[in-house]
Amino acid sequence: AQSVTQPDIHITVSEGASLELRCNYSYGATPYLFWYVQSPGQGLQLLLKYFSGDTLVQGIKGFEAEFKRSQSSFNLRKPSVHWSDAAEYFCAVATYYNQGGKLIFGQGTELSVKP
Amino acid sequence: GAGVSQSPSNKVTEKGKDVELRCDPISGHTALYWYRQRLGQGLEFLIYFQGNSAPDKSGLPSDRFSAERTGESVSTLTIQRTQQEDSAVYLCASSTSGRSTDTQYFGPGTRLTVL
Repeated sequence: AQSVTQPDIHITVSEGASLELRCNYSYGATPYLFWYVQSPGQGLQLLLKYFSGDTLVQGIKGFEAEFKRSQSSFNLRKPSVHWSDAAEYFCAVATYYNQGGKLIFGQGTELSVKP
Repeated sequence: GAGVSQSPSNKVTEKGKDVELRCDPISGHTALYWYRQRLGQGLEFLIYFQGNSAPDKSGLPSDRFSAERTGESVSTLTIQRTQQEDSAVYLCASSTSGRSTDTQYFGPGTRLTVL
């Protein structure tokens, strides 16, 4: 069965520092991969997604993610974090054979930003 | 245009009561999903509707949970004889056609508390 693991439950970074959030998936073929952000009191917003092609994808708000098949990973990065980036981040996978595109989510990583 | 809306935003109920949660998808979106987010956890898929096809109910945790959708419009998630473990945020999402590559747009959620 497909699964998604986000090893870090909570991460704290200083404003202006770089950020990397880890995501590992389990699936036999190339999955469709997504990163969503959930800010307090708001719904989930898509940051970026990967289906095929260039393994480095750019998203909104200055985020990027890199798909590494050999490591079954899809880590999210940002070169310089802003205080407004404090939120919960979810990695998710949908599969080609998964009829209807239902998403399987990781448990989330909560990001705190120090001034 | 308007996003996905859900009502009520908060619902407090007593154990054993039935509750109905409503979702209004983005106009023109044929696919609609329900997910559940328990405290400190990722989202769990519950049910998926696509046009006039039979819904994918594979994520419903028990027969106390059911959902309906009127055409390609409003959906209602019903939980009968609520239990304390049903306390969670229930999120609705819609997408244009239900393909695995489609972006799912999420509503703000309904926070259900079962006393």
